[in-house]
Amino acid sequence: NAGVTQTPKFRVLKTGQSMTLLCAQDMNHEYMYWYRQDPGMGLRLIHYSVGEGTTAKGEVPDGYNVSRLKKQNFLLGLESAAPSQTSVYFCASSPVSGADGELFFGEGSRLTVL
Amino acid sequence: SQQGEEDPQALSIQEGENATMNCSYKTSINNLQWYRQNSGRGLVHLILIRSNEREKHSGRLRVTLDTSKKSSSLLITASRAADTASYFCATAYDYKLSFGAGTTVTVRA
Repeated sequence: NAGVTQTPKFRVLKTGQSMTLLCAQDMNHEYMYWYRQDPGMGLRLIHYSVGEGTTAKGEVPDGYNVSRLKKQNFLLGLESAAPSQTSVYFCASSPVSGADGELFFGEGSRLTVL
Repeated sequence: SQQGEEDPQALSIQEGENATMNCSYKTSINNLQWYRQNSGRGLVHLILIRSNEREKHSGRLRVTLDTSKKSSSLLITASRAADTASYFCATAYDYKLSFGAGTTVTVRA
């Protein structure tokens, strides 16, 4: 049982390049989330989805886009990477709203933008 | 913002001792959750306490919630080296969880 899988685990980009982070969950969860974690700042919510075909903005959405075309996948895109987007990105999923139950996290994707 | 704030930022204790960390938040919540993160890993859910609950236990973990003071505490009893990790409180509202910056706990052998 894989749970939540993130790919890639590590990536180095140059400023202005684009990339997509993939999150896949095999637990048939409705809700999915993308967070970024920076030193001393905890986790901040970027975007989230309450079901297939839906997306919504979180606390820090600027510079990111997301898509949830399939229930099991939640993609996070950076169209033009900036050094400020250097961070560790975590995907999470939950069977019910995060307001009602626990989140299941992936192992993280470490992104460095030069 | 709903974001919780943990206190202290860092804690170092001897194996066998208890570890206590606190979380304060700003507005109403549906529930409050605690997570653990080992170095270089993802977050793992520890315990959830609902807004109408005052105390909850899970193994060596004890969580309290005081909604009048907008605060929560996490107690880890009889700590072990394997408890070395960062601990985060997360406040739940709407569809989302908001996380604090965490408390880093080091358990010395």
